[in-house]
Amino acid sequence: DAKTTQPPSMDCAEGRAANLPCNHSTISGNEYVYWYRQIHSQGPQYIIHGLKNNETNEMASLIITEDRKSSTLILPHATLRDTAVYYCIVGHSARQLTFGSGTQLTVLP
Amino acid sequence: EPEVTQTPSHQVTQMGQEVILRCVPISNHLYFYWYRQILGQKVEFLVSFYNNEISEKSEIFDDQFSVERPDGSNFTLKIRSTKLEDSAMYFCASSESLGTGTYEQYFGPGTRLTVT
Repeated sequence: DAKTTQPPSMDCAEGRAANLPCNHSTISGNEYVYWYRQIHSQGPQYIIHGLKNNETNEMASLIITEDRKSSTLILPHATLRDTAVYYCIVGHSARQLTFGSGTQLTVLP
Repeated sequence: EPEVTQTPSHQVTQMGQEVILRCVPISNHLYFYWYRQILGQKVEFLVSFYNNEISEKSEIFDDQFSVERPDGSNFTLKIRSTKLEDSAMYFCASSESLGTGTYEQYFGPGTRLTVT
């Protein structure tokens, strides 16, 4: 599976959009981009995934560049409860998820 | 909303003892997984299970580990003879066949295993 690179930490003001970047320059054509988050020591929580097109659900939006070498997770109106470690994972369907160190997002009041 | 459940939430055991961690995946899911997270470290994949057999396993998943789906609802991880380094949070996850080939995984709250 392709490797991902994320900044170790980011801050965001409450109510503002949080934009979390991820580089995955070695992604292959049939690999998906998944985003998960982990709040403290809870189980990872699925957020969103995509292959080529931009995606939006009730939690977030995922913007994937045309060359698929990078993506951005957007939380449109961050709240204090969005403070978590966010993981960008590239992989094939039904297979193991390889978690990196992720980005610690801190939403500030 | 359906969710993955795990029991117990915390298990303390002595080195060399056997432990069984239990998970109830989401009911219509077909794929099941175990991951672990040692305190302060990354989440690590252990094993995946589909159609009553292991489909993938990591190097961590050695002969001390086994998985089973004893009935239609439970999915268990057994550690035969626990070691101090098995102390970690163990997460169960499940995913379904959506027909779209995406298979996002839904995780349980975890079992904290402490080996003394």
